[in-house]
Amino acid sequence: DIQMTQSPSSLSASVGDRVTITCRASQGISNYLAWFQQKPGKAPKSLIHAASSLQSGVPSRFSGSGSGTDFTLSISNLQPEDFATYYCQQYSSYPLTFGGGTKVEIK
Amino acid sequence: QLQLQESGPGLVKPSETLSLTCTVSGGSISSIGYFWGWIRQPPGKGLEWLASIYYSGSTYYNPSLKSRVTISLDTSKDQFSLKLTSVTAADTAVYYCARRIHASGIDYWGQGTLVTVSS
Repeated sequence: DIQMTQSPSSLSASVGDRVTITCRASQGISNYLAWFQQKPGKAPKSLIHAASSLQSGVPSRFSGSGSGTDFTLSISNLQPEDFATYYCQQYSSYPLTFGGGTKVEIK
Repeated sequence: QLQLQESGPGLVKPSETLSLTCTVSGGSISSIGYFWGWIRQPPGKGLEWLASIYYSGSTYYNPSLKSRVTISLDTSKDQFSLKLTSVTAADTAVYYCARRIHASGIDYWGQGTLVTVSS
């Protein structure tokens, strides 16, 4: 199985900040990497697919990069609605696996 | 707009079978190129992929569930289903259904349904 390691597990930031979350795969996954946002009590929302492509309707302050084993999700100009937990997922091979999540909290 | 809706019992007894259905509206489950799948999230924990089925009927399972899980399609109803046998308290979770495209990942999620395993 491909292990997905996210860091940090949590972070505190202020409105307007830029935050970066890292996801590392235990083996190369090309660009088969997705990012999701989840708020308490809600289903995950798809943000980015293919490592860097925004899903339709996702604000441009979200961006993704990386290929192979190392990936990042960046949120510029953090907004109040962005405080949530973020997950990465590889869909290069089965079993599909998720990172452990990064909780973005208000400082 | 595509919508996915999970349905099924919210309470299952230990050792019994958990059965859930996902109803797809606003699109066809037979559309070429799509995977339909199940993902779960135990309370306060992360996400775990359980199983996927391709529009053609090919199935893919998480080995961690061994032979307990089965996924199936009902194209006549635009539904797909999950069966998980011999459940224990560890199977208590919110279960989500989702659609995935091979190169583009998951694009639609259901709202999720909480299943509690308890006597």
